[in-house]
Amino acid sequence: EAGVAQSPRYKIIEKRQSVAFWCNPISGHATLYWYQQILGQGPKLLIQFQNNGVVDDSQLPKDRFSAERLKGVDSTLKIQPAKLEDSAVYLCASSTLPGTGGQETQYFGPGTRLLVL
Amino acid sequence: RKEVEQDPGPFNVPEGATVAFNCTYSNSASQSFFWYRQDCRKEPKLLMSVYSSGNEDGRFTAQLNRASQYISLLIRDSKLSDSATYLCVVTPYNQAGTALIFGKGTTLSVSS
Repeated sequence: EAGVAQSPRYKIIEKRQSVAFWCNPISGHATLYWYQQILGQGPKLLIQFQNNGVVDDSQLPKDRFSAERLKGVDSTLKIQPAKLEDSAVYLCASSTLPGTGGQETQYFGPGTRLLVL
Repeated sequence: RKEVEQDPGPFNVPEGATVAFNCTYSNSASQSFFWYRQDCRKEPKLLMSVYSSGNEDGRFTAQLNRASQYISLLIRDSKLSDSATYLCVVTPYNQAGTALIFGKGTTLSVSS
């Protein structure tokens, strides 16, 4: 079974530039997450989608970050304009639809490593 | 106070040692608990879920104390391949599809 795919794997940009990341979840997974992992920290949720709807974007810096999942499958995360503190690994994860109880396992993609200079 | 707190280490142990990691969480409404493993420059991967009754998977044992809001992971007979960062993870609701809240991680280095 194919895992979560992300691209690009690495990106270097200058501050104030824009950048976009792409994620293709595991086939059939309705829930998609974007996490930001700063060096030395654990991942932090940016946004959660269920199908093409946003479930939680309370920690997304909406003045510069945006995300969409128009057809309920793949998703893009954009930063515009980028700041130095946005340097991090951006992880995409997916899981199946909520069941009758319990936590569905989240599967993570390899991440996109962003460096803002 | 951070939602999930872990001792960042690093823990440097010889092969064969037993090592224990501790974690505390602040939200008493947290319902699901996990340990994830993250290798250097790789994505996090689920190591094991943690239940109130405790659970064991080979050399790994996880315990949950809801009254103390405390989670632990014990690794017996450490192997070189156990070297990684171990992330303590909680979710606030017993509801599938809920985002994970990660601790900073505890780094383990096992040497020969």
